Parts: sequence; C-alpha cells; structure tokens
Amino acid sequence: DSGVTQTPKHLITATGQRVTLRCSPRSGDLSVYWYQQSLDQGLQFLIQYYNGEERAKGNILERFSAQQFPDLHSELNLSSLELGDSALYFCASSASGWGQPQHFGDGTRLSIL
Amino acid sequence: AQKITQTQPGMFVQEKEAVTLDCTYDTSDPSYGLFWYKQPSSGEMIFLIYQGSYDQQNATEGRYSLNFQKARKSANLVISASQLGDSAMYFCAMREGADTGNQFYFGTGTSLTVIP
Repeated sequence: DSGVTQTPKHLITATGQRVTLRCSPRSGDLSVYWYQQSLDQGLQFLIQYYNGEERAKGNILERFSAQQFPDLHSELNLSSLELGDSALYFCASSASGWGQPQHFGDGTRLSIL
Repeated sequence: AQKITQTQPGMFVQEKEAVTLDCTYDTSDPSYGLFWYKQPSSGEMIFLIYQGSYDQQNATEGRYSLNFQKARKSANLVISASQLGDSAMYFCAMREGADTGNQFYFGTGTSLTVIP
C-alpha cells in the first residue's frame, strides 16, 4: 500500500461529460502530481502542486484543470470529454527533497463511451 | 533534449537469469535522484530503487541493483535471478535539485518479459 488514495477506481461516462478525480496524498507529503497513461503508452505528466500552489505544468489540455486544497488532497477535473481521454489517470505524492521518490495511487481508469 | 532515455522498448530474459535495463539521463544539476518503477499488467506503479547523485555505492534492494555510472550519465537497473513475476513495464525517472517540490522526469519505459 503506497498510502496514496485515488477515487474512483473506475469511471465510465460519455463524450461531452465532465468528471472529477480525487486524490489523497500520503501523510506528510506536500507535493501532488497528476499523470495520464493511455493504452500501451508511457506516463504523460499533467500538472504538479506543492502545498496548494501550482508548481509545474506538463501536457495538460485546457479542458482539464486541477487544484490542491488546504488539507492537501487534490482533484483533477476533466470536461468536454472526448474518446481520446480514455486512459489511466495516476496521482502521485512525494515528500520534499530531490532524494524522495514519488508514491503512486492505484489510478483511476476512465472509459469514455 | 530528453531528460531520461530508455532505448529498449522490449526485453526478454530466461527465468533465473539476470537482466539489465538501460537508462541514461541528462542534467546539469549536481544534485539529483534517480528512481526505478515497475508497472505490472495490473497497472499499479511500484517504486523499486533509488540512487542519489552523491552516493558512492550502487544502490541495492533485494534482487534489484542500480548500476550507476555518473560520468556516462547512466543508471541501469539490474534484476538478478529473474522470476515470472518480474514481467512488467519498467520506468526510469529523475528528480533534480535541492528545491522542494521539483518535477519528476520519466522515460518511455521498457517492457520486460520473463520466459519460463
């Protein structure tokens, strides 16, 4: 158990809809990262938050947004969903310091029908 | 330039043999950490091993060891005595600098298949 909790585990919805993915980081971790992994693809970095503030942005679409709340949990909002958004979405958290690894949640598998 | 390069899309190894998965990195920061993750077919990402840029010794964790060659900027993962359960995707990653909250950079991964 990594200590990172992601909900829901599975999500099935239709094109044009909006969904929210939730992540609770490991206790004490201030950094939260979101990744997208499409079928047979590597990890695509979306966005990073540190203690409530956005720190880095990757290949995140304008239809996607995220935030980190004062209790450090984070939400990733995906809107106007398209078939190509079907993927496994990971949240990861890490402690401060370059020697600290990321710990990943089990992911949310999003299927767009 | 790519921060992390994994040049082997797929690898095969016989059960009980050792296998080396390649990873090269690119950074000008003297402080950095290198990490390997395993992703089995079930999908979860499992942290395996860490090597710091100032570490003199190669990191080891059970059957996993990291062959760290700083001058060549390589951080290869060595799995000894391969088991069927080692069949998975393996990702190399790097984190730079001493600042808090720094981004991680991942390679494209290597798919390892262990043959009975």
